[in-house]
Amino acid sequence: EVQLVESGGGLVQPGRSLRLSCAASGFTFDGYAMQWVRQAPGKGLEWVSGISWNSGTTVYADSVKGRFTISRDNAKNSLYLQMNSLRAEDTAFYYCAKERILTGYSDFDYWGQGTLVTVSS
Amino acid sequence: QSALTQPRSVSGSPGQSVTISCTGTSSDVGGYNYVSWYQQHPGKAPKLMIYEVSKRPSGVPDRFSGSKSGNTASLTISGLQAEDEADYYCCSYAGSYSYVFGTGTKVTVL
Repeated sequence: EVQLVESGGGLVQPGRSLRLSCAASGFTFDGYAMQWVRQAPGKGLEWVSGISWNSGTTVYADSVKGRFTISRDNAKNSLYLQMNSLRAEDTAFYYCAKERILTGYSDFDYWGQGTLVTVSS
Repeated sequence: QSALTQPRSVSGSPGQSVTISCTGTSSDVGGYNYVSWYQQHPGKAPKLMIYEVSKRPSGVPDRFSGSKSGNTASLTISGLQAEDEADYYCCSYAGSYSYVFGTGTKVTVL
């Protein structure tokens, strides 16, 4: 059974940093690109960042470019999101999601339950 | 990258059909056949309902169908059931390994 479990969320002051983790199991982690998607409370989904199966390609939404860094450790079956210079508008549930196609980009067939990041003084 | 445009809400009685539109541009919806739809119940993670415009993952009822014409994709729910009441989001591959989501549609079963 595929499982994605996010952790690392919490309350953080504006301008500070936070690192999210996503522990994956039940599939061949190093065969799939992975994504981060966020959802502000009561709002819609927003794609945040993605990373290829071998970390060779990383991409970011304009809203987080230069502040967030995505990474993965295939040996640990884990995905990460380092978030720096946090702003109030970064407050959201952050979901990790698995690409459906092996080594490709198409859509997301499994999602974690999300971790809440609250940026407030 | 601007969000894809969806109606804020649609509604229907049990057994009826509803259709949700998702309008983008030639750089996303119109340019790729990687349009997907997600169902999200309150407090839950999104669930993949349709991928590659019109394909259903295993376990998704055939009441759910998808299509695309030009820069607009659509999700149709036929034979609406109470458990279909949820938020629905379209998503499109937008090139250069990036994605864009729709604004979301709340489906209400009357």
